[in-house]
Amino acid sequence: SQTIHQWPATLVQPVGSPLSLECTVEGTSNPNLYWYRQAAGRGLQLLFYSVGIGQISSEVPQNLSASRPQDRQFILSSKKLLLSDSGFYLCAWDRGGAGNEQYFGPGTRLTVT
Amino acid sequence: KQEVTQIPAALSVPEGENLVLNCSFTDSAIYNLQWFRQDPGKGLTSLLLIQSSQREQTSGRLNASLDKSSGRSTLYIAASQPGDSATYLCAATNTGGFKTIFGAGTRLFVKA
Repeated sequence: SQTIHQWPATLVQPVGSPLSLECTVEGTSNPNLYWYRQAAGRGLQLLFYSVGIGQISSEVPQNLSASRPQDRQFILSSKKLLLSDSGFYLCAWDRGGAGNEQYFGPGTRLTVT
Repeated sequence: KQEVTQIPAALSVPEGENLVLNCSFTDSAIYNLQWFRQDPGKGLTSLLLIQSSQREQTSGRLNASLDKSSGRSTLYIAASQPGDSATYLCAATNTGGFKTIFGAGTRLFVKA
């Protein structure tokens, strides 16, 4: 069966500090991978998606970047965090191709102080 | 630009009641529509996915319908239970198959 992991589960970082969130998927190959952010009281916003190693599509211009160094690894980064980067970050995968069912990880709660 | 709206924003019902959650989307050119459940502080759990060519999907006490022409989907929950208390999110994926737009969710509370 497939499993998706995210870490850390929670993170408190000062403004201006760097960020690295990691997501890994087990039990599947060539998945599509996604990063979403859920701000307090708001819906999920798609940040990045990737259809393969090194292939990243950005949906929202912002302070964040994403990388996919391995087939089942997806990393969300920032060089300098802003207060507005606070939120709940969710990684998701689907089995590749287009329009398949998405499965979500447990999320990372980021608080920028 | 796709927009997804969910009504009501919150709902409180007594245990055993049948209920309907509504989702509307502005662009009918979708690839699929998916319903999720989210418990507080947790990730999303996929409930049902309806492809654009389908009219409905069923899983246990859940039934989701899709009417592309009117831009609407409904999630029907039969015989609600306190364990159904959660936020329910609908999400529409565009015809490219990768960009998914979420509604803000309906927060459901089922009273014992």
